[in-house]
Amino acid sequence: GQSLEQPSEVTAVEGAIVQINCTYQTSGFYGLSWYQQHDGGAPTFLSYNGLDGLEETGRFSSFLSRSDSYGYLLLQELQMKDSASYFCAVRGAGTALIFGKGTTLSVSS
Amino acid sequence: EAQVTQNPRYLITVTGKKLTVTCSQNMNHEYMSWYRQDPGLGLRQIYYSMNVEVTDKGDVPEGYKVSRKEKRNFPLILESPSPNQTSLYFCASSLSIGGAGANVLTFGAGSRLTVL
Repeated sequence: GQSLEQPSEVTAVEGAIVQINCTYQTSGFYGLSWYQQHDGGAPTFLSYNGLDGLEETGRFSSFLSRSDSYGYLLLQELQMKDSASYFCAVRGAGTALIFGKGTTLSVSS
Repeated sequence: EAQVTQNPRYLITVTGKKLTVTCSQNMNHEYMSWYRQDPGLGLRQIYYSMNVEVTDKGDVPEGYKVSRKEKRNFPLILESPSPNQTSLYFCASSLSIGGAGANVLTFGAGSRLTVL
């Protein structure tokens, strides 16, 4: 089967950098992606890694190491509006996108 | 505007009363899926569809049915709802069923269902 592990909660202050880790187990691998969800809202796509290495999108970066079955989301220059839940998701054999249980990020001033 | 539209957004019903949550996308996406979200459990996939008339079970399909008669619509049917189906439901779609595009889901706003 497929499974993902990510921390349940992370706290940080404005302006800081935070890293949210994700380890996965999957049969076959077709990419690791990250989604953001504000309280009560719909998840929105943040980034995707299909190959090893770092992908940067503004203040957010995502990293993948396929040999370690590991990835992370890096959020820089944190702002209050970054307080949200962050989900890693993996696509393994078949076409279903499976999500982790999510990491709640709380940013304080 | 490109979007996934779900209805109803909120619904309170009683055990055993059949209901349908509609989902429609206007992006000509191949892939559509239903997830339920419960506190501490993240997003769990119920059913998904790779194309018209092609559907498959996700991780938690019990008590649900789906159909994909048209590319744009993917309704979720609860034939006999029970209280354990009280949840927040999301419909999502992606342009393709393979490649990088298959990892980019567009979600609807969610449907909060309460079964008494």
